[in-house]
Parts: sequence; structure tokens; C-alpha cells
Amino acid sequence: EAGVAQSPRYKIIEKRQSVAFWCNPISGHATLYWYQQILGQGPKLLIQFQNNGVVDDSQLPKDRFSAERLKGVDSTLKIQPAKLEDSAVYLCASSFWSALAGGPADTQYFGPGTRLTVL
Amino acid sequence: GESVGLHLPTLSVQEGDNSIINCAYSNSASDYFIWYKQESGKGPQFIIDIRSNMDKRQGQRVTVLLNKTVKHLSLQIAATQPGDSAVYFCAERRGTYKYIFGTGTRLKVLA
Repeated sequence: EAGVAQSPRYKIIEKRQSVAFWCNPISGHATLYWYQQILGQGPKLLIQFQNNGVVDDSQLPKDRFSAERLKGVDSTLKIQPAKLEDSAVYLCASSFWSALAGGPADTQYFGPGTRLTVL
Repeated sequence: GESVGLHLPTLSVQEGDNSIINCAYSNSASDYFIWYKQESGKGPQFIIDIRSNMDKRQGQRVTVLLNKTVKHLSLQIAATQPGDSAVYFCAERRGTYKYIFGTGTRLKVLA
């Protein structure tokens, strides 16, 4: 089974520039998550999709961050404009949606992440 | 590759010894807990989980213990191997499938 794919793996930009990250979840996984992981910390949820709908975006800085999952499969996360404090690893994860469980099955599978450096 | 957790608490153990990694969680309503392993340059990898109606769960070389009274979770790794060197995170589930990750512990296995 192919894992969660992310690209690019690394990105270096200057502050105030824009950047976009791409994620392809595991086939059949209805739930997709974007996390931000600052060096030395655990991942922090930014946004959660179930199919193409947003379940939770309460921690997404909406003035500069946006995310979409138009066809319920791939997703993109965009930052515009970037700030120095956005330097982090951006992780995408997916999980299977189980009607019996009433939501995502519990195991989240993570991609390798995109390391963003804002100069 | 990228380094994860340069300033994290570190646990150093001799190869072959048992490791115990601890985690305190904050929300008594959390009903499900997961331990993840994260190697440098990779995303977190699921190790083992436990539901709040259990106190202990065992996997292959790993055991998770849950003490709800003091809101404490631990991960025990038996016969620690060099390949176990990584950063370990606990995560608690709050509400509808929202996961809160701890700050992590770096495990170093000494040869």
C-alpha cells in the first residue's frame, strides 16, 4: 500500500512570499489532516477534512493560511504571505473513514512532511 | 536530513535494556491515546494505542500503560535496539477525532 505523499520535501522562501504544499493521501482514506510541526515540538493540527468538507480549522491562521481539497482526494495548503514564524515542517496525514466508528478510524498515517524555511 | 526535536528531553539507554518513556496529558475527557515514533526526516509512525477503558496494552516489544487517576501515559520498549532511536510522541484524542500531541522525548540507544 502506498503511503501518504507530500511535495516538495524542502522549500526555502523569503518572508512575505507565497508557498504551496501538496498532499496525496492513501487511497480510500476520506479524512485528511494538515499539521504544523515547529522544531522541538509535537505536531499541531491546522485543518482536518472529511472528503472535501472541512471538519476542523479552528487552529488555522486564516489571514494567511488556506487549504483546499476540492475533489476529496489531493489537498493543497497555501501560505500567503509567509512570516518568519511559519518556518516548520508541514505534515499531512490521512485516515480511513468508518461509518461504524462514526468517523475516522483512529490510525493516522503521516507523510514525510515538507520542511519550510522562511528567511 | 532534518533533525526533529533538538531541544527535547532525552532518554539514553544501553542497547538491550528496557526503555520507559513517559507522557502527561491534560484533559481527563480524552478517551484514546496513541504513541508515535518519529525518525529524522520522516513523519510520525504509529506504534501502539490504548483506549481509556484499558490500563495496559501490549504489542511486539512495546507496552503502553495508562493511569487515568494521574493522567499519565507510558511507553515501555523491551530490549531496546539501535533502530529504536527516534523521537517519541504521545497523542490524546479530544472531542471528535481531534488529536493533541505532546512535546516528545528523544530516545538515544547507546551501543
